[in-house]
Order: sequence, then C-alpha cells, then structure tokens
Amino acid sequence: EAGVTQFPSHSVIEKGQTVTLRCDPISGHDNLYWYRRVMGKEIKFLLHFVKESKQDESGMPNNRFLAERTGGTYSTLKVQPAELEDSGVYFCASSRSRLGYGYTFGSGTRLTVV
Amino acid sequence: GNSVTQMEGPVTLSEEAFLTINCTYTATGYPSLFWYVQYPGEGLQLLLKATKADDKGSNKGFEATYRKETTSFHLEKGSVQVSDSAVYFCAYQGGSEKLVFGKGTKLTVNP
Repeated sequence: EAGVTQFPSHSVIEKGQTVTLRCDPISGHDNLYWYRRVMGKEIKFLLHFVKESKQDESGMPNNRFLAERTGGTYSTLKVQPAELEDSGVYFCASSRSRLGYGYTFGSGTRLTVV
Repeated sequence: GNSVTQMEGPVTLSEEAFLTINCTYTATGYPSLFWYVQYPGEGLQLLLKATKADDKGSNKGFEATYRKETTSFHLEKGSVQVSDSAVYFCAYQGGSEKLVFGKGTKLTVNP
C-alpha cells in the first residue's frame, strides 16, 4: 500500500506569510495525526483527527494554526501568519487503530520561516 | 508532567561497536514504549515496541526491554553497521492516543 504522503517536502517563507502543508494518509486510515519537531527539541503532538472530526487539538500552539480534514481524507495544516518560531519539521501520521504501533509516519515537511 | 528523557547525542561509533542509547520516561500507569528511527531523507519508522513490563522488543538486531522498576527502555545493538546511521527517538503512549517523544539521538557509524 502507498505510504503517508506529505508535501511540500521543504518550504521557505518569510515571516508574516501564509503556508499550507498537506498530508495524504494511507487509504482507509481513519486516524490522522500531526506532530512537529522544532530543531533540537522533542517531536510534539499537535492534533488528532478521526475521519473529519478533531478528536484532540490540545497540542496546537496558537490560533495561527488551522488544521482541516474535509471529507475525512487528506488533511491540511495552515500557518497564518507564520512566525520565526514556527520553523521545524511537521510530521503527519495515520493509523487504522488508535494504538501507537499502528502509526505510519510521512517523511515530513521542513518549514523554514525567515 | 509526562515526559521522555533520552541520551543526547550525537553519538559516533565505529562499525561493529556496541550501541546503547538510554531512555527513561515519566508517566503514570503502564504506557506502551517505542523506539522510532529516522533515516536521512525519510520519515519516522517504528523500530520496535513493548507494551507491558519486562517485554523485550527487537528488530534488525536492536533490542530494548521495558523496565517498569527503573522506568527505562534503553536501546541496544551488539554490532552496529554504517547503515544504522540515523536519528533514534524513544516514545511512549499512555492513556491518551498521542505519542510522547524524546529529543532524539543522532547516531553516526563510521566504516
């Protein structure tokens, strides 16, 4: 089966601009997660979708971040306006099961805000 | 709060050397424990897991044992290869569904 696909793989934007990251999960995976790794720090949970519903968005840093999953398929994560501290690698993962070992991660999007 | 502390790198070894990457966690209850690996240019991959105390996870020559008494899940490999060069992340999953990760340890293996 195809894996989790994220794009773009890299994005460099200026402070104040808007960026939209996309994640295509594995077909049939109802659970979709976003995580972020800021340079040198832990990978941190952002949010969890079950189909099109937000199950847990406790990790979203602030209201500049907006995640959607229309139709329960692909998801987008929009940052508007971007700030310097938003730089990092954004990972998406999907799973059928809610158990950790069922996660499949994408390759990530490296976002650099200058 | 709940957290994972893992040995900070970078770690540089020669081929065939013994590898240990320490990982301890702070969590209530009986979380599931994981090691993920990120090879250059790739996504996170599950390397191994353990879901209860005293379980040993193993894969590709790597092993880790879930030690409840010391809240540890140290990663070991008896003889590393150049192809093992990657970033290794320790993680746990407790009562909620989210994974809690450590900071990652970059391993470089030289020929």
